[in-house]
Amino acid sequence: DAGVTQSPTHLIKTRGQQVTLRCSPKSGHDTVSWYQQALGQGPQFIFQYYEEEERQRGNFPDRFSGHQFPNYSSELNVNALLLGDSALYLCASSSPVGSGNTIYFGEGSWLTVV
Amino acid sequence: QKEVEQNSGPLSVPEGAIASLNCTYSDRVSQSFFWYRQYSGKSPELIMSIYSNGDKEDGRFTAQLNKASQYVSLLIRDSQPSDSATYLCAVNLMEYGNKLVFGAGTILRVKS
Repeated sequence: DAGVTQSPTHLIKTRGQQVTLRCSPKSGHDTVSWYQQALGQGPQFIFQYYEEEERQRGNFPDRFSGHQFPNYSSELNVNALLLGDSALYLCASSSPVGSGNTIYFGEGSWLTVV
Repeated sequence: QKEVEQNSGPLSVPEGAIASLNCTYSDRVSQSFFWYRQYSGKSPELIMSIYSNGDKEDGRFTAQLNKASQYVSLLIRDSQPSDSATYLCAVNLMEYGNKLVFGAGTILRVKS
């Protein structure tokens, strides 16, 4: 049983560029959330997708957008990259609320903006 | 006021001792609580979850929850050098559909 898989694992981008990160949830999970973890901090919630729609969003600018596909996989897009976007981006998957809401994280995508 | 607070540490304990990690949270409607372990350069790994007041034991780990005091803790018995990591406390705001709010983490160092 594959867990949560993310790609790419590491990438370097230049300020102003755009980046797309990808996530496949754990088998049986239909909800995908994205978190940003800056160095020395805990993960911060970006947004969550369920049934191909953004269900809720954290305190992140519109430069951060996402998508969920019919197979429950998801993408995180960040436009106009800033140096401060350098962080570990984590994808988390879970089953619907009320059915054992354990949340599992992927290995993450390390983004460096130079 | 931060929603989830942890002492950043580092907390240093000798090998074989009990490590005690603490976390307080501000949202009274929180229903579920998690401890994640994160090694340097890696993603968080779930080690304990707790939903009801009291203690929950799993091997060398014991999670303790006191909802009245809005306090959750993690005890690690017989600490090993391999336990050296950052421990993240997370609260699930279930009314918002499985949204985790994390503390900043406590660095644990187990000295051999």
